[in-house]
Amino acid sequence: QLQLQESGPGLVKPSETLSLTCTVSGGSIGRSSYYWGWIRQPPGKGLEWIGHIYYNGNTNYNPSLKSRVTMSVDMSKDQFSLKLSSVTAADTAVYYCLRIAARVVDYWGQGTLVAVSS
Amino acid sequence: DIQMTQSPSTLSASVGDRVTITCRASQNIDSWLAWYQQKPGKAPKLLIFKASSLESGVPSRFSGSGSGTEFTLTISSLQPDDFATYYCQQSNSYPLTFGGGTKVEIK
Repeated sequence: QLQLQESGPGLVKPSETLSLTCTVSGGSIGRSSYYWGWIRQPPGKGLEWIGHIYYNGNTNYNPSLKSRVTMSVDMSKDQFSLKLSSVTAADTAVYYCLRIAARVVDYWGQGTLVAVSS
Repeated sequence: DIQMTQSPSTLSASVGDRVTITCRASQNIDSWLAWYQQKPGKAPKLLIFKASSLESGVPSRFSGSGSGTEFTLTISSLQPDDFATYYCQQSNSYPLTFGGGTKVEIK
């Protein structure tokens, strides 16, 4: 059974960079049929797609966040990562890592709350 | 970006009721629509993809229909485990976008 687990700081200061890692178990990031991505959900609000990365490093980011987002993949560890720079309080959210198949999310991590505050 | 609009935002229903949630896309997305269920404190769970295809393991009381710009999710007989928030998502093009959610509450 595929499992995804987010890890990273739960508190980030304004203007700094949010960094999260997702570890995949029960499967390999290197399978060619899937993309690996991130979605976030501010407390009490809806879902926002951040972007995804393919095992070869190709990325696709939400234009609304593109200038601040960087994703990377480490196939040797079956991990992929998210960096979001210049964060503000508006970036406070639960961040989910996920697997995307045919532009649909079929596996989700449990989510990790990241708060932006001084 | 394709805008997704769900209605209603909140729905009160009883166990055994037939429930219908509507999702409208701002442009034609053919059948590229998915539905998710989210319970408090949990990640969303995929229910339906390509408008009407049931994800493996999802009870058959859930069904989806529609194409183009208008879609529905129907729960034929609401069960206690179904009280949750439901989201639609267009999978036609990037950026992937979601509806605002429909919370199904106990009446």
